[in-house]
Amino acid sequence: SAVISQKPSRDICQRGTSLTIQCQVDSQVTMMFWYRQQPGQSLTLIATANQGSEATYESGFVIDKFPISRPNLTFSTLTVSNMSPEDSSIYLCSVAGTAASEAQFFGPGTRLTVL
Amino acid sequence: QKEVEQNSGPLSVPEGAIASLNCTYSDRVSQSFFWYRQYSGKSPELIMSIYSNGDKEDGRFTAQLNKASQYVSLLIRDSQPSDSATYLCAVNSPRGGSTLGRLYFGRGTQLTVWP
Repeated sequence: SAVISQKPSRDICQRGTSLTIQCQVDSQVTMMFWYRQQPGQSLTLIATANQGSEATYESGFVIDKFPISRPNLTFSTLTVSNMSPEDSSIYLCSVAGTAASEAQFFGPGTRLTVL
Repeated sequence: QKEVEQNSGPLSVPEGAIASLNCTYSDRVSQSFFWYRQYSGKSPELIMSIYSNGDKEDGRFTAQLNKASQYVSLLIRDSQPSDSATYLCAVNSPRGGSTLGRLYFGRGTQLTVWP
């Protein structure tokens, strides 16, 4: 499976600021996803990062709050904008191939704390 | 709303016992089913995938799928303390006219294997 890295691994941010999280894969992948995992909770899909077009957001998530870029088949960024303490969470990117049945593989995650 | 339900646990078993983890899902057209293991502070790691009815074995792990009952399970034989983790059930369901589905995750079952 692909090797996935995320930067930063963790950060502590002030309310009202923005943080951009990077996801890098060591091989080209078709699908990239961004998830949020709040303490003690399961994973919530934020959006699907589409290469060359706008991301597809899930209900409850909007582009103004979580802008996403996907400039090529190995890289994506997620920005958490105008942060509040409620945004404190682990943010995970995942990748998958082309088949609908193919599993997703996760990066190590970014632990975000907003003060 | 497509749902994936798991026993919330926690499930506690002695070393050497069989741990049984269960999952039900609501979308009848789901095609692909996955089990992820997540250690505390780590990202989810794929341990099993299953696509057709019946059993699939991989080492000490056996996944069982029954599409008629919309039920998938994971058995861990000869459980070890290193198996202590949260186990997430994930179901891939197509959406809209696209064959590229998304994963729906359960809340996870916390397993503790005591020596």
